[in-house]
Amino acid sequence: NAGVTQTPKFQVLKTGQSMTLQCAQDMNHNSMYWYRQDPGMGLRLIYYSASEGTTDKGEVPNGYNVSRLNKREFSLRLESAAPSQTSVYFCASSELLAGGRLFGPGTRLTVL
Amino acid sequence: SQQGEEDPQALSIQEGENATMNCSYKTSINNLQWYRQNSGRGLVHLILIRSNEREKHSGRLRVTLDTSKKSSSLLITASRAADTASYFCATDLYSGGGADGLTFGKGTHLIIQP
Repeated sequence: NAGVTQTPKFQVLKTGQSMTLQCAQDMNHNSMYWYRQDPGMGLRLIYYSASEGTTDKGEVPNGYNVSRLNKREFSLRLESAAPSQTSVYFCASSELLAGGRLFGPGTRLTVL
Repeated sequence: SQQGEEDPQALSIQEGENATMNCSYKTSINNLQWYRQNSGRGLVHLILIRSNEREKHSGRLRVTLDTSKKSSSLLITASRAADTASYFCATDLYSGGGADGLTFGKGTHLIIQP
């Protein structure tokens, strides 16, 4: 099993551009998550999907949208990128909401 | 929102020594989880300890949980250079009501000196 995969690994955007971060898991997990990690801070939850067909806001959802395409895939979209969205983005999955998370390798995003 | 806070923020020890890092939290939890993050990589889940458990082991890792003091510790015995990483605790408040509930601390950066 590859676990959790994310594309792209790196991305540079200009302010106002849009993009979609892709995430896929092959663990047959029910729940999937998007986090961002900024220097000196812990991970902060952007959105999550407890199960296929549902999505919910996390701690910092403003400026983002998500789509749970199917059980395997959970994408994160930035409609109009801002410099404050420069961060490392991690996708994760788990069998249950109360379980340990399996993380992807991350996407390093820079917004100029 | 509740957040686990790791202590110390940074720790440097000699290879072969034991490393202990602590996590404190504010309100009742369902479980507490420890993760490791190597530089430039994603987080790796190490151990999950439930609120009714006091101690768990996994290889060279030992986690304790004291719910009366709202604290947990992670002990790494016989440290190796490969243990150099950041370690995060995450507290789970999941109540089944639709909230994710898992909140991460800012981490302890551990450096193992050869």
